[in-house]
Amino acid sequence: GAGVSQSPSNKVTEKGKDVELRCDPISGHTALYWYRQSLGQGLEFLIYFQGNSAPDKSGLPSDRFSAERTGGSVSTLTIQRTQQEDSAVYLCASSVRVGEQYFGPGTRLTVT
Amino acid sequence: AQSVTQPDIHITVSEGASLELRCNYSYGATPYLFWYVQSPGQGLQLLLKYFSGDTLVQGIKGFEAEFKRSQSSFNLRKPSVHWSDAAEYFCAVGARQAGTALIFGKGTTLSVSS
Repeated sequence: GAGVSQSPSNKVTEKGKDVELRCDPISGHTALYWYRQSLGQGLEFLIYFQGNSAPDKSGLPSDRFSAERTGGSVSTLTIQRTQQEDSAVYLCASSVRVGEQYFGPGTRLTVT
Repeated sequence: AQSVTQPDIHITVSEGASLELRCNYSYGATPYLFWYVQSPGQGLQLLLKYFSGDTLVQGIKGFEAEFKRSQSSFNLRKPSVHWSDAAEYFCAVGARQAGTALIFGKGTTLSVSS
């Protein structure tokens, strides 16, 4: 079946602009995660959604970052007033059971 | 604090030679353990996982890993490396409960020489 998809694959934006990144999880997967992969930093957890429960936002680095998940499926990660340090690859993962996460190809964000 | 350490940033192995990538973790209890591989421009692909039982686990592409509780390690091995194995490898741990994010090591880049 189809895996996790993310769009766009690449995004170049000017400092100060807002961006939206999209994640389409595997059908039937109730859990959805966002991670950020920065050069030299590895992967950092950002936010987690499980069904209709309130999301775990503990990894969001600042209030410029927000995410929503509509209808328990597609998720959008929004970064407001982008900064150069936001440049990274943003990865989405979905899961249907504990311990297994399936990752999308990521969105490479470059802030100029 | 919970953490994953991959001591080797970059390893070069000759094609056909054996490979071992190291991973150590610090965690409150025995976590779930994973190895992921990332090829350039790609997402992360799950190579193998350890949940319980036999401490030697087999994965895809001929990889295996051994969980050693006493050493808090989960090293990845392959007996004979192929050029297509060149990629970045990440070790990760996760709690044995729903809704917890994985904690990743910083990765080891594998280069394969001919």
